[in-house]
Amino acid sequence: NAGVTQTPKFQVLKTGQSMTLQCAQDMNHEYMSWYRQDPGMGLRLIHYSVGAGITDQGEVPNGYNVSRSTTEDFPLRLLSAAPSQTSVYFCASSYDRNINEKLFFGSGTQLSVL
Amino acid sequence: AQSVTQLDSQVPVFEEAPVELRCNYSSSVSVYLFWYVQYPNQGLQLLLKYLSGSTLVKGINGFEAEFNKSQTSFHLRKPSVHISDTAEYFCAVMKTSYDKVIFGPGTSLSVIP
Repeated sequence: NAGVTQTPKFQVLKTGQSMTLQCAQDMNHEYMSWYRQDPGMGLRLIHYSVGAGITDQGEVPNGYNVSRSTTEDFPLRLLSAAPSQTSVYFCASSYDRNINEKLFFGSGTQLSVL
Repeated sequence: AQSVTQLDSQVPVFEEAPVELRCNYSSSVSVYLFWYVQYPNQGLQLLLKYLSGSTLVKGINGFEAEFNKSQTSFHLRKPSVHISDTAEYFCAVMKTSYDKVIFGPGTSLSVIP
């Protein structure tokens, strides 16, 4: 059982470039989310989805887009990368957004924007 | 807005010594509380959670946490740490059962041989 898979693990971008961070889960989880992790700030929620076709903004959505066309996939798009988006990005999922469920995390994508 | 404070950014402790990692949250209503652990180069894993009931919650790997409503705290403890406990620990809170999970800034636990 692969769990939550993120690709790529590392990425370097130039300012203004666009890219997509991929996230896939094989647990039939309804809830998926993207966090960014920065030193001293913990994890901040970027976007989340409670099911296919449904997405919503988290704490820090600016500069990022998401879509959820299937239950399995939840890609995160950077439209025009900025140095402030240098961070480690984590995708997380759970069966649904219920307190009895725990979040399963991917291993992260380390992004550097020059 | 919900916020979570972890008072210590780094905690060094000798192997087999006890440890307490502190967490405080800001809320005037009931919340659900969690501790997650992040080992080097990995994603986060759930250690334990408080939903309701007994204020002392036991988790995996010998960790436990105590919910204190009057002090709005949820401190994590372990009576004897191992080298393998070296990791980043995050406290998190949810305001309602269908709310977002808000994470604290994390505490880096270093276990010294």
